[in-house]
Amino acid sequence: GQQVMQIPQYQHVQEGEDFTTYCNSSTTLSNIQWYKQRPGGHPVFLIQLVKSGEVKKQKRLTFQFGEAKKNSSLHITATQTTDVGTYFCAGTGGAQKLVFGQGTRLTINP
Amino acid sequence: NAGVTQTPKFQVLKTGQSMTLQCAQDMNHNSMYWYRQDPGMGLRLIYYSASEGTTDKGEVPNGYNVSRLNKREFSLRLESAAPSQTSVYFCASSELVRNEQFFGPGTRLTVL
Repeated sequence: GQQVMQIPQYQHVQEGEDFTTYCNSSTTLSNIQWYKQRPGGHPVFLIQLVKSGEVKKQKRLTFQFGEAKKNSSLHITATQTTDVGTYFCAGTGGAQKLVFGQGTRLTINP
Repeated sequence: NAGVTQTPKFQVLKTGQSMTLQCAQDMNHNSMYWYRQDPGMGLRLIYYSASEGTTDKGEVPNGYNVSRLNKREFSLRLESAAPSQTSVYFCASSELVRNEQFFGPGTRLTVL
């Protein structure tokens, strides 16, 4: 079945450093979504990408969808302590079910 | 609007006991989902309901049953709880299966 792999599993940075998490699918995706989960909280939707090669920005966050629609990335510029949490990608493939990656847990040293 | 609500927030069961987790949404969404979250495993889909009157298995359905009671409510039942079912359970809903999902606050379940 469809698998979505996400790396790294953990990332610790100094406040102000950049952060990137990568997502790779075993199959071509029709769309990819990104979610953020704060410690002790529930996942919250950030964005959805649909088009091949699409790039979207939300303030310091940049999301990319690969040309082949099999990979995606989330880049945070100049991290802040409010960015702490786990970031999940989730892709929809032929089965039309959302499959989540394992997540990247981001911790920040202030 | 409350969004997605789940009850209970916490539960401790003994092996073999049964229980039902309740979920309700007030966003008039068609699709609803049950996930479990374990450390390092991300979110794994247990069951989902693409629309009222339908339910389908997800990635890890064994040991669970679901009921889409009406458009608002989607319950998850553990008939005979096992320690391997210790997890955090999230309910979610979306307009359609391909759309963004809204998650409830979760139920932390421990099976002894």
